[in-house]
Amino acid sequence: AQKVTQAQTEISVVEKEDVTLDCVYETRDTTYYLFWYKQPPSGELVFLIRRNSFDEQNEISGRYSWNFQKSTSSFNFTITASQVVDSAVYFCALSEALDSSYKLIFGSGTRLLVRP
Amino acid sequence: ETGVTQTPRHLVMGMTNKKSLKCEQHLGHNAMYWYKQSAKKPLELMFVYSLEERVENNSVPSRFSPECPNSSHLFLHLHTLQPEDSALYLCASSQDGSNEKLFFGSGTQLSVL
Repeated sequence: AQKVTQAQTEISVVEKEDVTLDCVYETRDTTYYLFWYKQPPSGELVFLIRRNSFDEQNEISGRYSWNFQKSTSSFNFTITASQVVDSAVYFCALSEALDSSYKLIFGSGTRLLVRP
Repeated sequence: ETGVTQTPRHLVMGMTNKKSLKCEQHLGHNAMYWYKQSAKKPLELMFVYSLEERVENNSVPSRFSPECPNSSHLFLHLHTLQPEDSALYLCASSQDGSNEKLFFGSGTQLSVL
């Protein structure tokens, strides 16, 4: 069965620290997609990244970077020089094929608190 | 602003009430979704609509009844809910139900008394 595990329930850091959010997934599919979403206090989930299973290159976007390791089924997310505005709940997700569409299997989320 | 609007933001209802949640997307997308986010569980997919046709019902109790009158609007009709149905209900849309990204609304925080 598809499964996404985010073992860190809550992380607290001081501003400007680097922080890594862990994500481990399980799937029997050979082709799949992985996602990260951010949920600020306002409630809506905001898309951060999508990665397909054939692309293991790490990605950097400003202060955000992602490390995809197929060998360990992990897709970790690092925020460099964290800021207070990064405080949110972060979700990792894995796509699962349905009959005529896809659905996302979400992890339980990691709450990040960045203190000034 | 994600282009997906949900109303109301907050809803308190009794177990015998009937209410509806509304979702509207202004993105020209063809797929819409209802997700449930409760305090102690990961986000759960409830329903998927693609081109106004329901393509997924994820074993949701019949006291939740979705309606998709057109590709821009999605409703979730609620009746005789239980206190354990209290949760944040999130609507999302995507271009066509494939593996592209989802755009989420801010959700309706539902409390069932």
